[in-house]
Amino acid sequence: DQQVKQNSPSLSVQEGRISILNCDYTNSMFDYFLWYKKYPAEGPTFLISISSIKDKNEDGRFTVFLNKSAKHLSLHIVPSQPGDSAVYFCAASSMNSGGGADGLTFGKGTHLIIQP
Amino acid sequence: SAVISQKPSRDICQRGTSLTIQCQVDSQVTMMFWYRQQPGQSLTLIATANQGSEATYESGFVIDKFPISRPNLTFSTLTVSNMSPEDSSIYLCSVRQSQETQYFGPGTRLLVL
Repeated sequence: DQQVKQNSPSLSVQEGRISILNCDYTNSMFDYFLWYKKYPAEGPTFLISISSIKDKNEDGRFTVFLNKSAKHLSLHIVPSQPGDSAVYFCAASSMNSGGGADGLTFGKGTHLIIQP
Repeated sequence: SAVISQKPSRDICQRGTSLTIQCQVDSQVTMMFWYRQQPGQSLTLIATANQGSEATYESGFVIDKFPISRPNLTFSTLTVSNMSPEDSSIYLCSVRQSQETQYFGPGTRLLVL
């Protein structure tokens, strides 16, 4: 049972336009949601995160929106640049019974291609 | 953000052997995790490396196959034991510095022949 879903394996966007990457989840116990960017042969790079008590978080060109009732979040990148071409992973975590954070549950990723 | 290094960066191993992967962090962190990414797949959590106690394994992963050590707050090792070709993956160490941030090492690419 996949708890974090990224239903678009790939997305092609023209340079300068907005890229919108979507993520759905099923576990209502998730407290935090994180987005990562990954190039081949490298570890994931943390981009931005959002707590479940918020509905928006912004950092430069990256904005994450959370719709808790729909169990849906999205990452907006604007304007898109050629260096943004990579695989983007959505991840989620929850607090464990000891008060610490559990590890992350990842989606399968979306390959973003920015076209010149 | 924490700077995380892993050794080795890659290796090719024969089936039946074991490989120990090291993870070093440049600052003390409470939460350390080990993940793997099999070819064409997403990242899957193997275990939480607990300092001073036994690691906490996720469903489908066992200590005999993936023993983990965490002797202090900056270092951990993951051993992949009695390897088979199915263990060919990227193994990644990560640290959690706050509820909202988790950083990953560069990964160890393992190919088992």
